[in-house]
Parts: sequence; C-alpha cells; structure tokens
Amino acid sequence: EDQVTQSPEALRLQEGESSSLNCSYTVSGLRGLFWYRQDPGKGPEFLFTLYSAGEEKEKERLKATLTKKESFLHITAPKPEDSATYLCAVVKGRDDKIIFGKGTRLHILP
Amino acid sequence: DAGVIQSPRHEVTEMGQEVTLRCKPISGHNSLFWYRQTMMRGLELLIYFNNNVPIDDSGMPEDRFSAKMPNASFSTLKIQPSEPRDSAVYFCASSMDPSGNTIYFGEGSWLTVV
Repeated sequence: EDQVTQSPEALRLQEGESSSLNCSYTVSGLRGLFWYRQDPGKGPEFLFTLYSAGEEKEKERLKATLTKKESFLHITAPKPEDSATYLCAVVKGRDDKIIFGKGTRLHILP
Repeated sequence: DAGVIQSPRHEVTEMGQEVTLRCKPISGHNSLFWYRQTMMRGLELLIYFNNNVPIDDSGMPEDRFSAKMPNASFSTLKIQPSEPRDSAVYFCASSMDPSGNTIYFGEGSWLTVV
C-alpha cells in the first residue's frame, strides 16, 4: 500500500538548535516529492520539489534531501518564525496520484 | 498575481443543510484539486480535474459530495445533506498540470456542521 509517513509528529526546539524532519515513503514509481509549510489558519505553502535520489534543495535555513526511501528537511539554526507544520507529499506512478503525509508540527522556542 | 481564491472562508451550518464551496484557480493552470484536512486524517485528496474534466474522484467520501468545474476559472464542491462529520478545512489547489508540477493551495474553507 502506498504510504507517506512523517516523523516526528511534533518537535520543540530552542532557537538556534538545528534538527531534521523525516518523510519516509513506500510508493511505486515516485515522480516527485514536495515539501510544504503550513501556518495556522492558512493553506500549505510550497517550499521544495525533489525528483531524484541524491538531489538537494536549499532555501534560507532549510535544506531538503532525497534518497530512494525517504526525504529529510534539515533546519539549521532555526528562528521562532520557522514554527509551522511541515508537510511532505509524493507524486506517484502513472496516475500522478499525490499522497500527503500528516505533517510535523515544529515549534521553535525563543 | 492572485493565488487560488476560495469562498467562503468560514461556514457554520446545521446538519442536513446544503453546503457549496467555491474555488477560482490560478489563471493558466490546467489542473484543480479539492482536498479535505482534519487532525485525524491529515490532507486527503477528494477529487482532481484536468482541463475541466474530473480525472480521479476516488477520494470523494460518498454520494453526498459532488464537484463540478464548468469552466477553467471556477469549481464548486457541494455537500448535500451535510453531517457533523463533514466538519473540516476544505482546500482547493491548482497546478500547471498533474505531472509533478508544483501545486498551489488556497487559504481553505473552514466548515463546521452542527
């Protein structure tokens, strides 16, 4: 069964404390993996797309990496404004079905 | 450049009433998606359209739900009759095409059925 699992469900960090969020997937024929950020009361906001194992993308304090089974979202020296829910989604197979994980709620303490 | 526009932003309705959610996708986007988000189940794809044609509606929970896209700039999601378990945030999203292109989300319609 196709699945996208994000861990941890929630993460509290001190400002400046680097960490990583995980997105593991079991889908047939991965065509792409997306990372989104969602603030309370808002729609998900696009961050990155990764298409092949070994690919990396960076934006400010965030870096996304991809292997054949999982993706990591590394956050370096986070700030309170990085607090949000981070969602991972995969596009699979011939039917281009998009499957979202349940997200990681990240809280950065000042 | 306006993003995906949804209305209403918030709706509270009584069980049994009809609910219609509206969406205007980003101009030039060929694909439109309706998602439902709850704490328990996360983001679930309900239906998606490509060039105004429904491609996959396997996520539509039951016959009470229906979606239409009469033209490239407008779509509706209708629930009739509504039930308390339909309470959720409903997101509309659009993309250039479904083949792995970036999907842009609206701000969501927060539905509460009492």
